Formats: sequence, C-alpha cells, structure tokens
Amino acid sequence: GNSVTQMEGPVTLSEEAFLTINCTYTATGYPSLFWYVQYPGEGLQLLLKATKADDKGSNKGFEATYRKETTSFHLEKGSVQVSDSAVYFCALSDETSGGYQKVTFGTGTKLQVIP
Amino acid sequence: DVKVTQSSRYLVKRTGEKVFLECVQDMDHENMFWYRQDPGLGLRLIYFSYDVKMKEKGDIPEGYSVSREKKERFSLILESASTNQTSMYLCASRGDREDSPLHFGNGTRLTVT
Repeated sequence: GNSVTQMEGPVTLSEEAFLTINCTYTATGYPSLFWYVQYPGEGLQLLLKATKADDKGSNKGFEATYRKETTSFHLEKGSVQVSDSAVYFCALSDETSGGYQKVTFGTGTKLQVIP
Repeated sequence: DVKVTQSSRYLVKRTGEKVFLECVQDMDHENMFWYRQDPGLGLRLIYFSYDVKMKEKGDIPEGYSVSREKKERFSLILESASTNQTSMYLCASRGDREDSPLHFGNGTRLTVT
C-alpha cells in the first residue's frame, strides 16, 4: 500500500534559519502530494500542494517540489519565523482499487522556532 | 471558505458509554472523513463517506460506526467507549478531484475514563 515517511521531530530552529523537512513516499499510482500544517489547538490546514512530477507548490514562503525520481516532496523555507511553530504533515492522495481517493499521512514533524 | 464544524472541542465520557461526535460542512462536498490523531502515529482514517447513506471502512474502524443521513453531516459513533479510544478526533471534507485538499474541523479531544 501507499506510505509517507517524514523526518522525526521535533525540529528546533532559531528565527530566520533555513528550514528543511524531508518527506518521501511510496505509491502505486500517480499521486497528488500535499503539505498540511497544524497550529496549536487547531485542525490541519492545507499549506501547499503539487499534482505532477516537477511541480512546485508554494505558499507563505514555504516551497516543495514533486520529485518523482526520488519519490520525495521536501518542505523548505528560507527564513522561519516564530509564528511558523506548528506541526507539519506530508500527505499523498491516490486512487484506490475501489475508485476512491484515499489520503495517506506521514506522522508529522513538530517545528519550534525560538526568537 | 470551507467551514467544517465539530460540535465539541472537549468531551469526557465513561467507559461503556455510547458517544456521538458530530461534524457539519458547508461546502456541499460529497466526501467526508473521520480521523483520529495520536502522538507518534499521525492521522489514521477511521471511516469515510462518499455520498449520503454511503460509508466505507478506513484503516482502523473497529469499535466505531458512522452515520450520514444528510450530505452536510457526518457523525462518528463509539458504540461502547473504551479507554484506548481516548484521542483527538478530526473530521474533514473534500471535493471529488484528486488534487482537492482536505478541509478539517478543529478537532474533538475525547477522554474516556
């Protein structure tokens, strides 16, 4: 079956540091890839997405490129802020044998940014 | 903006009680989902529904059931709550396209004592 593996956290960075959160996936089809973010006390919300190989998703200074050859979708940001402290989830969406779209999540990476 | 509303933020129930978690979405989405979120395990799919009165088991359906009588409402039912069902429960909805994102509610933190 499909799976998503993302780096263990927590990740602690100083403000303005460069961020990378690694994500790799296995899938039988041609999935869409997503990053979701969960701020304390809230549900998950979409951060960015990419639907095909070499697509780059971007939002709020975050970027991720769909790399089919390495089955990866690493999240990057050039300069993190304290307000970026949250849990980040990598996910893929793929069609099941039953014709449904199923979303598979990684286990999440907690990011803490200190001033 | 899609809004997914879960009826309770916090619930405390006793072992053996029947528990209802309610979820309503306002974007006319066909697809609705219930996940539970546990530290170190990420999000695990309990049940989903792709149409009114339709339901499908997810990865961990044991001990749960669901109801979808109206398109906008998807209920999760714990028939007889147990302590291992203490968790954060997240409801979500999405459109039909493969690249449609999930829209989540703020979650219900359920404690079973």
